[in-house]
Amino acid sequence: DAKTTQPPSMDCAEGRAANLPCNHSTISGNEYVYWYRQIHSQGPQYIIHGLKNNETNEMASLIITEDRKSSTLILPHATLRDTAVYYCIVRVDDSGTYKYIFGTGTRLKVLA
Amino acid sequence: NAGVMQNPRHLVRRRGQEARLRCSPMKGHSHVYWYRQLPEEGLKFMVYLQKENIIDESGMPKERFSAEFPKEGPSILRIQQVVRGDSAAYFCASSPEFLDEQFFGPGTRLTVL
Repeated sequence: DAKTTQPPSMDCAEGRAANLPCNHSTISGNEYVYWYRQIHSQGPQYIIHGLKNNETNEMASLIITEDRKSSTLILPHATLRDTAVYYCIVRVDDSGTYKYIFGTGTRLKVLA
Repeated sequence: NAGVMQNPRHLVRRRGQEARLRCSPMKGHSHVYWYRQLPEEGLKFMVYLQKENIIDESGMPKERFSAEFPKEGPSILRIQQVVRGDSAAYFCASSPEFLDEQFFGPGTRLTVL
């Protein structure tokens, strides 16, 4: 069962910031939040991950609320190539092994 | 640096046949994960393997499905006596250590006629 809830779809104008929300209200203290995206049914591509602090890399920023019940992925300047399904994932500890629990994702469409 | 490789990319089988899916992890990666994706759904974890060991197979169906990651060669996901409900995209991922991010292959799309 997915531990994350995301809106099914979003649109964003090219060049603007895309803010993708994710709720993970049942997340445990040692569970990380990961973001991946999947373009045209290709293999998912890693974007970013975090535990408590906000994170930034060359692709995106991840903002995690203080209570860790939700987070937002920010693509600062969306391009047409960012059109994809974005998955917010919780990495859970299941009896000593860690696995990704995917939700249904947000289908982001970047508009010209 | 070659990424995760999967073959075949597309596989068509008739009901009752066997499907064998292969995954070669990235160089230096000893941890392999298999996921299944049904149309319009997210990926579902199936199994996690290290070289010669199955670590977690909690997502594998109890019957007809098996996985291995031998000392030499690719990881294999085997589906015996396929049924139409097995039609899906099967993705393999690898990581250097099990807590690191996973790198996904392009997937194998299985169609059962």
